[in-house]
Amino acid sequence: NAGVTQTPKFQVLKTGQSMTLQCAQDMNHEYMSWYRQDPGMGLRLIHYSVGAGITDQGEVPNGYNVSRSTTEDFPLRLLSAAPSQTSVYFCASSYASGRIQDTQYFGPGTRLTVL
Amino acid sequence: AQSVTQLDSQVPVFEEAPVELRCNYSSSVSVYLFWYVQYPNQGLQLLLKYLSGSTLVKGINGFEAEFNKSQTSFHLRKPSVHISDTAEYFCAVSPQYSSASKIIFGSGTRLSIRP
Repeated sequence: NAGVTQTPKFQVLKTGQSMTLQCAQDMNHEYMSWYRQDPGMGLRLIHYSVGAGITDQGEVPNGYNVSRSTTEDFPLRLLSAAPSQTSVYFCASSYASGRIQDTQYFGPGTRLTVL
Repeated sequence: AQSVTQLDSQVPVFEEAPVELRCNYSSSVSVYLFWYVQYPNQGLQLLLKYLSGSTLVKGINGFEAEFNKSQTSFHLRKPSVHISDTAEYFCAVSPQYSSASKIIFGSGTRLSIRP
């Protein structure tokens, strides 16, 4: 198993540009999520999904869109990038529909810089 | 609501010395507690978790943590560290029986090991 994969690893955008961060898992996990990691702030939840076709907002959803058309993929879209979205983005997944007892598996991250 | 405080942003330790990384939490309900490790340029990996039962929890790589309800703490310890333990460590808390979307991460403690 490849686990949780994320592409790209690095990305530089100009303010106002749009892009999609890709996340895929091959473990047949129902629950998938996106976090952003900023210095001194730990991880903050952006959006999550408890299964194909079901998504919900986390703590910091503004400026981001998600969709979940398959179990495997959970892309994160930045509609109009802003410098405040400069961060490291992590995708995570777990087996059941987000049951807290289940271990979350994290991808390697995407480092995004918005100029 | 829950919150978690990691009291030290950086902890330098000599190789083979013991280490304790401190974590305190605040919650009006019963909680689950977690420690994650993030090695350089990688995603987070679960070290250990407290769900119920014994307050002393053993994790991977020789780490352990003790849940202290009266002091609302969940400190992480290792009796003898190795260079390979150099990483950032995150404490996290969630309400019991909740969803993974409710997990709150601390701001992290960077552990640096000196030879």
